[in-house]
This record gives sequence, structure tokens and C-alpha cells, in this order.
Amino acid sequence: EVQLVESGGGLVKPGGSLRLSCAASGFTFSTYSMNWVRQAPGKGLEWVSSVSSSSSYIYYADSVKGRFTISRDDAKNSLYLQLSSPRAEDTAVYYCARGNGSPFDYWGQGTLVTVSS
Amino acid sequence: QSALTQPPSASGSPGQSVTISCTGTSSDVGGYNYVSWYQQHPGKAPKVMIYEVSKRPSGVPDRFSGSKSGNTASLTVSGLQAEDEADYYCSSYGGSNNVVFGGGTKLTVL
Repeated sequence: EVQLVESGGGLVKPGGSLRLSCAASGFTFSTYSMNWVRQAPGKGLEWVSSVSSSSSYIYYADSVKGRFTISRDDAKNSLYLQLSSPRAEDTAVYYCARGNGSPFDYWGQGTLVTVSS
Repeated sequence: QSALTQPPSASGSPGQSVTISCTGTSSDVGGYNYVSWYQQHPGKAPKVMIYEVSKRPSGVPDRFSGSKSGNTASLTVSGLQAEDEADYYCSSYGGSNNVVFGGGTKLTVL
């Protein structure tokens, strides 16, 4: 059974930093592209970042480019998102999702990030 | 990259059919057959219902169908059931190594 479990969310001050993790199981992690998708409270979904297998390609939404860093550790079956200099508008539930975007076929349960002083 | 346009709400009675639209541009919806639809119940993670415009993942009822015409994709739910009440989001490949989502449609089963 495919499982994606996010962790690392919490309260962070504007300008601080936070690292989100996603532990994957039930599939051959190294062969799949992985993604972060977020959802602000009461709002819609927003694609944040993608990393291909072997980390060959990495892409970011314009809204986070230069501030967030996606990475993966295939030996640990884990996906990460480093949030640097977060802003209030980055407050959201962050989901880890498998796939190349067409579709994102498995999603984690999400981890809430709140950016506030 | 602008979000795709969806109606904020849709509704239908049990047994009826309802169609939700998703309008983009020739740079996203109209340019690629990479439209997906997701169902999200309150407090839950999204679940893919349709991918590549009209394909259904294993386990998704055939009451759910997808189509596309020009820059507009559509999700049709036939034979509405109470459990279909949820938020629905479309997404498309955005053409610049990104994915763009619609704003979401709240489907109410009357």
C-alpha cells in the first residue's frame, strides 16, 4: 500500500526557516517524481515544487522560487521542502504528492505550516 | 501562471447529473491532454478522479467522466450520490514545467 506521511509543520516566524519531510513507503520511491502542493486555509490547491527521479530536474512555482528548496533522499525514501524566509502568505497545509502532475496519484495527509510573529 | 477558472459552486439532486467546467488557455488546458480532476472531502487529502482528460483510475466509479473542448475541460458526475458532495479541483500541465490548478468547485448534493 502506497503511503506518504508528512511531518515538520508548525509555527514559524516570518524570515525564519522550517524543513518539511515526507516519508514514503509501499512503492519504489526512487523511480517516481515527487511534489509539494499546498492549500491555504479555506483556499484552493497550489502546486509548489517538483523533483524528478534522480533529482535530475527541479521546478518551483514563481511564488516560492528563491525561498524554498526541494530535495529527496532515495536511500531514506524521503522528500523534503526547506522553507526559508517564509511569509504570512505561505501559511498553508503542505501536501506531499507522487507523480509527474498528470496526475498526482497519491497524496499524504498534509502538514500545517503557520507563518506568524 | 494564472489559476484555471472553475465555478465556485454546483449542485444537483440524487440521481441527477452535474457538469463542472474548467477554463484555461491554449498554453495549458487547450495545449495538452494533461487535465486531471481531484475530489477533496473536508479535512482530507485530494483524490484523483480523472487524469489525461478522460481516464479513470482503478476504483473510481464510472459515474465520473471527463472531457475537453478547446480551452475548457469538464467533469461530469452522473447518478449523483450523497458521498459525491465535496470540493472538486481541476489541474493542467502549465507548459512551463509547472502544474496549474483551478480555484475549486463545491459540489452540493441537494
